[in-house]
Amino acid sequence: DIQMTQSPSSLSASVGDRVTITCRASQTITNYLNWYQQKPGKAPKLLISAASSLQSGVPSRFSGSGSGTEFTLTISSLQPEDSATYDCQQSYSIPYSFGQGTKLEIK
Amino acid sequence: EVQLVESGGDLVQPGGSLRLSCAASGFTFSNCAMNWVRQTPGKGLEWVSAISGSGDDTYYADSVRGRFTISRDNSKNSLYLRMNSLRAEDTALYYCVKEGAPSFNDAFDNWGQGTMVTVSS
Repeated sequence: DIQMTQSPSSLSASVGDRVTITCRASQTITNYLNWYQQKPGKAPKLLISAASSLQSGVPSRFSGSGSGTEFTLTISSLQPEDSATYDCQQSYSIPYSFGQGTKLEIK
Repeated sequence: EVQLVESGGDLVQPGGSLRLSCAASGFTFSNCAMNWVRQTPGKGLEWVSAISGSGDDTYYADSVRGRFTISRDNSKNSLYLRMNSLRAEDTALYYCVKEGAPSFNDAFDNWGQGTMVTVSS
């Protein structure tokens, strides 16, 4: 089974900051890496699929990169509404697996 | 607009059974693999089970294999999860989740709002 490790587990940043979250896979998953945003009391929302493909309607300040075993989610200019938990997930092989989540707080 | 509406969550005693349902609309149901994903405050998101668009292929997490059964009725645009021999550690919010492809390895592009399962005496 593939293990996904996210870092950091939490972070606090200011409006306008550039924020980067990292996700590492225990073995290669090529580009089968997806990022989700979850706000309190809501279901997760797909932000980025296939490592770097931005979903329709997602602001362009969000971007994803990486391949193989190391991936990043970047928010280029943090906005107040970006306060949420971010999760990575591999869809390379079943059992699918998620990272443990990164809780992003706005200072 | 894609809609996924779960139902069936409840408080159940250890060893009991429950059947979750998910009513889907807004897309061609039979063209998409479907999943159940659960979430607990302490453990985050955990994939539980997947079924192909045709229903011919099913997969389970080790933690539920032999106790849970995923199924679908494409004529009713519905997904199900039969849960037997429930344990305290099955307590979670269960999401019905759509994949973009008919047979796996795609992102989870739509999620329901979840139905709560609590296993406790």
